[in-house]
Amino acid sequence: AQSVTQLGSHVSVSEGALVLLRCNYSSSVPPYLFWYVQYPNQGLQLLLKYTSAATLVKGINDFEAEFKKSETSFHLTKPSAHMSDAAEYFCAVSAPRGNEKLTFGTGTRLTIIP
Amino acid sequence: DTEVTQTPKHLVMGMTNKKSLKCEQHMGHRAMYWYKQKAKKPPELMLVYSYEKLSINESVPSRFSPECPNSSLLNLHLHALQPEDSALYLCASSSSSGGYQETQYFGPGTRLLVL
Repeated sequence: AQSVTQLGSHVSVSEGALVLLRCNYSSSVPPYLFWYVQYPNQGLQLLLKYTSAATLVKGINDFEAEFKKSETSFHLTKPSAHMSDAAEYFCAVSAPRGNEKLTFGTGTRLTIIP
Repeated sequence: DTEVTQTPKHLVMGMTNKKSLKCEQHMGHRAMYWYKQKAKKPPELMLVYSYEKLSINESVPSRFSPECPNSSLLNLHLHALQPEDSALYLCASSSSSGGYQETQYFGPGTRLLVL
């Protein structure tokens, strides 16, 4: 079965600084990978999705993620953090020949320091 | 604006009450989901309804009862809930059969408190 590990349950960055949220996956077959963001008391919003078409995936709000098979990673980055980026971020994986369901990581809470 | 709507936004109920959570998707999707999310935890899949077939996670107690009146609605009927059922309940939908390659789109959630 597939799984994801998000390193760092809390990440703090200064406004304007680089955002880096880490996600490593485990899957015996090529997976689909997702990043979702959840603002307080809201549902999940899709940031971006990896489907094997390109290893560098661009998403909404200037976020992007790079799929690295050799490192089994799919880290999320943003060049310059905004106060509005403060939220919970979830990495998720789905893959064929497993249960084919979306499996979430434990989440990373991003705090932006003014 | 979200294309998956959920009502109510908040719900407080006693352990003897019967209530319903409603979910509607406006994207013509064929698969719908309910998730339960406890504080500071990721969402946990409760059930999937796809092409008129319901698949319920075996850990979901019978006090949660899904109903799908049509392909755009997936309601969750609640009866005799326990305080540990208090959580954010998220509804989602995806385009086709619920396969691994599909993107799930989430609603804003219903915050449930069981007293």
